[in-house]
Amino acid sequence: DIQMTQSPSILSASVGDRVTITCRASQSVSSWLAWYQRKPGKAPNLLIYRASSLETGVPSRFSGSGSGTEFTLTISGLQPDDFATYYCQQYNNFWTFGQGTKVEIK
Amino acid sequence: EVQLLESGGGLVQPGGSLRLSCAASRFTFSSYAMSWVRQAPGKGLEWVSSISGSGDSTYYADSVKGRFTISRDNSKNTLYLQMSSLRVEDTALYYCAKARAVSGGAFDCWGQGTLVTVSS
Repeated sequence: DIQMTQSPSILSASVGDRVTITCRASQSVSSWLAWYQRKPGKAPNLLIYRASSLETGVPSRFSGSGSGTEFTLTISGLQPDDFATYYCQQYNNFWTFGQGTKVEIK
Repeated sequence: EVQLLESGGGLVQPGGSLRLSCAASRFTFSSYAMSWVRQAPGKGLEWVSSISGSGDSTYYADSVKGRFTISRDNSKNTLYLQMSSLRVEDTALYYCAKARAVSGGAFDCWGQGTLVTVSS
C-alpha cells in the first residue's frame, strides 16, 4: 500500500502569507496526486489534480507542483476563506489520503 | 450542477449490516467511476471503495475488504455500499464522491455525507 505523509500537521499563518504544504509518497505515484480543501461541516473540495492542474473555479492563488514522491501545495496570498484543512491524495495505485494539514490563524 | 445525495446511515450494533445509497443527478452517471470515502470522528479522510463507470471493476481498502460491497445501478443513477459485519471502528461520516474519469482519478464532486454509528 502507498502511504502519504503530509507536513506540517498544523500551520499557523496570517492573511496575505504565502504558505506551502508538503506531501510525500512512500513510492512513486507519478503525477497522480490531488489536493483537497476541507472546512468544518462541509464536504471536501477538489483544488488540484494531476499534481499541478487547477480544478475549474478554484482561485489561481492555489498551485501544486511535484512528481514521483514529493509534492507541494502553495497558497500565494492567504485569504480568510482559506483557513481550513488540506489533504493530499494519490490515485496511482488505488487511492490514499494524507493525514491532513490544518491551516489556522496565527 | 452535479448533485450527490447520500442516505441510509444510522445506528447499528456491532456485527450488524447497513446499506448506504447515493443518488446522483445532473451528469451522465455511467460515464464516471464512483467512490465511498469516510471520516471517523477526529480522524482524517479514508478511502473506502471505488467502482468503475460500468460497474465491472471494484476496489476496496484493506480495512473493509470482505465486509463491504460496492455496487451501482446505472439505470437508477444510484451508487450503493452494502456494509456487513460492522465494527465500532466503522463509525464515521460516509461520503460518496464522483471521479473525474470512467476508470477513476481524483474526486471532483462530493455529497454531504451520511453518518454511520456502530455501537451497542
